[in-house]
Amino acid sequence: GAVVSQHPSRVICKSGTSVKIECRSLDFQATTMFWYRQFPKKSLMLMATSNEGSKATYEQGVEKDKFLINHASLTLSTLTVTSAHPEDSSFYICSATETSTDTQYFGPGTRLTVL
Amino acid sequence: DAKTTQPPSMDCAEGRAANLPCNHSTISGNEYVYWYRQIHSQGPQYIIHGLKNNETNEMASLIITEDRKSSTLILPHATLRDTAVYYCIVRAPGAGSYQLTFGKGTKLSVIP
Repeated sequence: GAVVSQHPSRVICKSGTSVKIECRSLDFQATTMFWYRQFPKKSLMLMATSNEGSKATYEQGVEKDKFLINHASLTLSTLTVTSAHPEDSSFYICSATETSTDTQYFGPGTRLTVL
Repeated sequence: DAKTTQPPSMDCAEGRAANLPCNHSTISGNEYVYWYRQIHSQGPQYIIHGLKNNETNEMASLIITEDRKSSTLILPHATLRDTAVYYCIVRAPGAGSYQLTFGKGTKLSVIP
């Protein structure tokens, strides 16, 4: 199947700093990528839909000025958590759709810990 | 997308077949059934999907009932590495730009 990578896999930062997470589709192009967040023992919750060349669409309750999304190319989307706080600590996962099979593939996730 | 219902947990002996059920009684005629799994601390992994015919790949088999109101994911010879949360998701075709809605899934524990 298609491969999606994320970088970094784990990051620890101080409260108030910003963290950027990259999501790449390695062997296919993706006009749409998705960003999810998962808290311990909970299911994945969609944060936003990232569209190449246009603004992201955010789910209700997700602050677009805090979670900045950029989808500058067909293989890369980035999520920047600005002014991170301990409550932003979570597992962030991206996905991308491989259009020939109409199947979403997920990245391995990024564990963010804000101290 | 149609709602799905899965048992919260199941156990399976190593080497035996794991049969994971999913109910999707409100599925529409053009909606596919997708299965993903999430191993602890990893992103979800695509397993298989189907419309109405049974499907098989190197990971699993998908059996969809004739009325399409339920399906079963079969892992033919479960190993300890198959311990994960398995999600059954129903989704319309050509909606690759739409997000997947994850329920609580079934936590499969493969026991030595």
